[in-house]
Amino acid sequence: GEDVEQSLFLSVREGDSSVINCTYTDSSSTYLYWYKQEPGAGLQLLTYIFSNMDMKQDQRLTVLLNKKDKHLSLRIADTQTGDSAIYFCAERAGGYQKVTFGTGTKLQVIP
Amino acid sequence: NAGVTQTPKFQVLKTGQSMTLQCAQDMNHEYMSWYRQDPGMGLRLIHYSVGAGITDQGEVPNGYNVSRSTTEDFPLRLLSAAPSQTSVYFCASSYADRVINEQFFGPGTRLTVL
Repeated sequence: GEDVEQSLFLSVREGDSSVINCTYTDSSSTYLYWYKQEPGAGLQLLTYIFSNMDMKQDQRLTVLLNKKDKHLSLRIADTQTGDSAIYFCAERAGGYQKVTFGTGTKLQVIP
Repeated sequence: NAGVTQTPKFQVLKTGQSMTLQCAQDMNHEYMSWYRQDPGMGLRLIHYSVGAGITDQGEVPNGYNVSRSTTEDFPLRLLSAAPSQTSVYFCASSYADRVINEQFFGPGTRLTVL
């Protein structure tokens, strides 16, 4: 079945760039998502990328997709303390109900 | 719009007790789902529904029941609680026919089974 892997923890200094990585196994993935979970809250969609794209930029966020290696990354430029959260990578293959979430990466931003 | 609401926020149960976690959405979404979140395991799909009267099993359905009598509500029932069901439970909803298929999540229910 599908498997989505992320490292569990990342610590960066305020103002630096953060890079959160994700690998997935399903080569038929059509959409890949990044969700953000703030403490005590549910997940919110941060950004997404279609599988036929290599890169997507949205203000401080850059998503890179290497389909050959099944590797997705999220880069946050000028990381702020408000970016401290858990970031989930997710992939969708086929029907809308087939969304598989990764384990989540907890980003800690040090002032 | 209230979005996706869940009650209760916190619950403590004893082994063997039953209870229902409530979920409601006011966005007229066809698709609703229940996930559990456990440390180091991400979100795992328990059950989902593609419309009123239609439900199906996800990745970890054992010990849970669902029903979808209306578009708005999707309750999750724990039949006989076990310590392994200690977790944070999230309900989510989305449109069924949109390209991006963004899921909207509730704030979660933190359940402890003693």
